[in-house]
Amino acid sequence: EVQLVESGGGLVQPGGSLRLSCAASGFTVSSNYMSWVRQAPGKGLEWVSVIYSGGSTYYADSVKGRFTISRDNYKNTLYLEMNSLRAEDTAVYYCARGPYSGSYYDYWGQGTLVTVSS
Amino acid sequence: QSALTQPASVSGSPGQSITISCTGTSRDVGGYNYVSWYQHHPGKAPKLMIYDVSKRPSGVSNRFSGSKSGNTASLTISGLQAEDEADYYCGSYTRSNTWMFGGGAKLTVL
Repeated sequence: EVQLVESGGGLVQPGGSLRLSCAASGFTVSSNYMSWVRQAPGKGLEWVSVIYSGGSTYYADSVKGRFTISRDNYKNTLYLEMNSLRAEDTAVYYCARGPYSGSYYDYWGQGTLVTVSS
Repeated sequence: QSALTQPASVSGSPGQSITISCTGTSRDVGGYNYVSWYQHHPGKAPKLMIYDVSKRPSGVSNRFSGSKSGNTASLTISGLQAEDEADYYCGSYTRSNTWMFGGGAKLTVL
């Protein structure tokens, strides 16, 4: 059974850093495209970043230069390193498997809340 | 990057059909057949309902269907059931290895 479990969220001050983790089971992270998607309070979903099976990474303009996506093949875990955090980064962060064929995300985690506030 | 445009809310009575629209541009929805739809009950993981505009994953009810015309995609739910009440999001590939989602539509089953 495919499962994705996020962790690492919490309260952080503006300008601070946080690392999110997404532990996967039932499949191999390194053989799949993996993504982070976030949802700010009262807002819709926002795509954040993707890491391809080959290792290439891409980011939304809103986080480029501040966030880094990576994975640990031995731990079968996806990460999102977030630096220079801003109030507008406050959101529930979801990891998702995909996009398959460049199109869709077939499994999602339940999310972890990041709150950026002084 | 602006989000894809969805109605904030839609509603229908049990047994009725509803349609949720998702409007983008020729650079995203209109440019690729990579539109997907997700059902999200708050506090839970989003669930894939439709992919590649009109394909249904195994296990998803055939009451859910998708289509696209120009820059607008649509999700139709027929035979509404109480369990369908949720938030629905569309998603699309856009350009240069980036993706985008809609603002979400809250479906209320009256």
